[in-house]
Amino acid sequence: RKEVEQDPGPFNVPEGATVAFNCTYSNSASQSFFWYRQDCRKEPKLLMSVYSSGNEDGRFTAQLNRASQYISLLIRDSKLSDSATYLCVVNPTLSGGYNKLIFGAGTRLAVHP
Amino acid sequence: DVKVTQSSRYLVKRTGEKVFLECVQDMDHENMFWYRQDPGLGLRLIYFSYDVKMKEKGDIPEGYSVSREKKERFSLILESASTNQTSMYLCASSTATPLAGAINEQYFGPGTRLTVT
Repeated sequence: RKEVEQDPGPFNVPEGATVAFNCTYSNSASQSFFWYRQDCRKEPKLLMSVYSSGNEDGRFTAQLNRASQYISLLIRDSKLSDSATYLCVVNPTLSGGYNKLIFGAGTRLAVHP
Repeated sequence: DVKVTQSSRYLVKRTGEKVFLECVQDMDHENMFWYRQDPGLGLRLIYFSYDVKMKEKGDIPEGYSVSREKKERFSLILESASTNQTSMYLCASSTATPLAGAINEQYFGPGTRLTVT
């Protein structure tokens, strides 16, 4: 079983739609969680962190469910520019010194006019 | 802005060649990482370094070695390239300990697409 699992998609949605991605992780002791965004042929970039209390950044909402070991990302009012691959990322350790991250394989989103 | 640069965007090498991939960061970060990214597998950690001359194996170190002689530079070496090392290679850097309340983000370079024929 992979440490971090995501539906690869693609999710094809029209502009203005709301779309949600889920991700599951296997290590119950994991400490911190993130969503990274990767555009086609570009490097990954941090989109947002994920907190137990949930967090929102504009049209993006991330939530963590520790009991079920899953993380979600909700995108409201999708824009063409949201088309990208979204990587679910888990830091499995307490120690921040090495900051090792475990990456999911990504969920591809395609927003069409 | 943090800048992580990699020596080549595209590289084609022959089986058995020794390959050097260079990565440089300008933010005085302690940690540096080398990943490879393959379709359906995501990013997998090859090696990382938390200080000059220090290195730790990641999840898939076989067939690779690294060198960190200066804080800003982290090199990935393929001693004898093989076709199964054809991949996208991504370098990243981060601080050792984030400021209180801050996220310890990893910053990535643009990647090197290596083809071994």
